[in-house]
Amino acid sequence: GAGVSQSPRYKVAKRGQDVALRCDPISGHVSLFWYQQALGQGPEFLTYFQNEAQLDKSGLPSDRFFAERPEGSVSTLKIQRTQKEDSAVYLCASSLVRIDGSEAFFGQGTRLTVV
Amino acid sequence: QKEVEQDPGPLSVPEGAIVSLNCTYSNSAFQYFMWYRQYSRKGPELLMYTYSSGNKEDGRFTAQVDKSSKYISLFIRDSQPSDSATYLCAMNTGGFKTIFGAGTRLFVKA
Repeated sequence: GAGVSQSPRYKVAKRGQDVALRCDPISGHVSLFWYQQALGQGPEFLTYFQNEAQLDKSGLPSDRFFAERPEGSVSTLKIQRTQKEDSAVYLCASSLVRIDGSEAFFGQGTRLTVV
Repeated sequence: QKEVEQDPGPLSVPEGAIVSLNCTYSNSAFQYFMWYRQYSRKGPELLMYTYSSGNKEDGRFTAQVDKSSKYISLFIRDSQPSDSATYLCAMNTGGFKTIFGAGTRLFVKA
């Protein structure tokens, strides 16, 4: 596709439920980033992939958060046993080469609401 | 104290005004400085990207970086109602992690 695609656009989960958020990066983009954006705040870094390798996961808030990119293209962010504080917009971004995210293209995000 | 500070606004200006948006930061290791525009319920869109200190101009947008003062600015000339959005500053040391400001909400009134 022409841009970064994320699905679903909106997700409502009951507290304790597991969720999976999908990111389809721009074809051929090596770098993939996940960010969490709380209401009224800027995006906060969660994790970084270079192809299939997860090189940095220092931003993941807890061990309930898990991300993968098994074939170096599509990525999934999984949140287990969701809590209300997980409610946020989850953004995916991809970049052709650069590792620093300076030329990254963002998807529209998945808005997660935990009730 | 946050690594990157940005006034959340809102900032309201009349059409045609010059807009000045600013961020301060504390980490002197930041080398890459970006400005993103984010419309409501959309992902951020890269506007300007600057390496180290100096100015960069692109159409109606000018980005300035003053590393000695740890201060960056974005100027928008001849502002239009379509410029109404949240503007996010962002910076990076050259590694994987980009740090964003909280964003400034801008309203340009016709």
